[in-house]
Amino acid sequence: DIQMTQSPSTLSASVGDRVTITCRASQSINSWLAWYQQKPGKAPKLLIYKASTLESGVPSRFSGSGSGTEFTLTISSLQPDDFGTYYCQQYNHYSLFGGGTKVEIK
Amino acid sequence: EVQLVESGGGLVQPGGSLRLSCAASGFTFSTYAMHWVRQAPGKGLEYVSAISSNGGTTYYANSVKGRFTISRDNSKNTLYLQMGSLRAEDMAVYYCARGDDFDSSAYYDWGQGTLVSVSS
Repeated sequence: DIQMTQSPSTLSASVGDRVTITCRASQSINSWLAWYQQKPGKAPKLLIYKASTLESGVPSRFSGSGSGTEFTLTISSLQPDDFGTYYCQQYNHYSLFGGGTKVEIK
Repeated sequence: EVQLVESGGGLVQPGGSLRLSCAASGFTFSTYAMHWVRQAPGKGLEYVSAISSNGGTTYYANSVKGRFTISRDNSKNTLYLQMGSLRAEDMAVYYCARGDDFDSSAYYDWGQGTLVSVSS
């Protein structure tokens, strides 16, 4: 079975910082990876799909990269509204989510 | 505008049953696979089940296989999740989500979720 490992589990950064979150798959998932942002009490929101394609309406400060087993989500300049928990999801074979990364604003 | 509205959650005793519904609008429901994802309190996201666009193919996570049944009524634009033999570990917010494919899909749209509590 595929396993998805996200790191770090939490991070605290200042407005304007560049933030990177990593997701590793235990076997190749090609580019079938998505990133979601979730705020407390709300449903997840799709940010990026197919590893690097920005969903419509998502700010360009979000970007995704990687293929195979290693993927990253980058926020180029952290904004106050970017707090929340970020999840990666592999969908190469059905679906599996990473454990999440909680982003806090310093 | 795509809308997914879940209902049917509530408090149920261990071993009990519950049926969740997800009413869809704003897109051609019968052409999309649909999925259920859950989130236990304070925990991450867990994939639960999927159903193909015509309802002919279904998939279940091992954690719910044999206890949950996914179905859909394309004439009513509604997705269902029949949950049985409920356990404490099934307590979660249950989301329905729209995906392009049955077995390989990111989720472009989500409902607001419905809370299932399992307790005696």
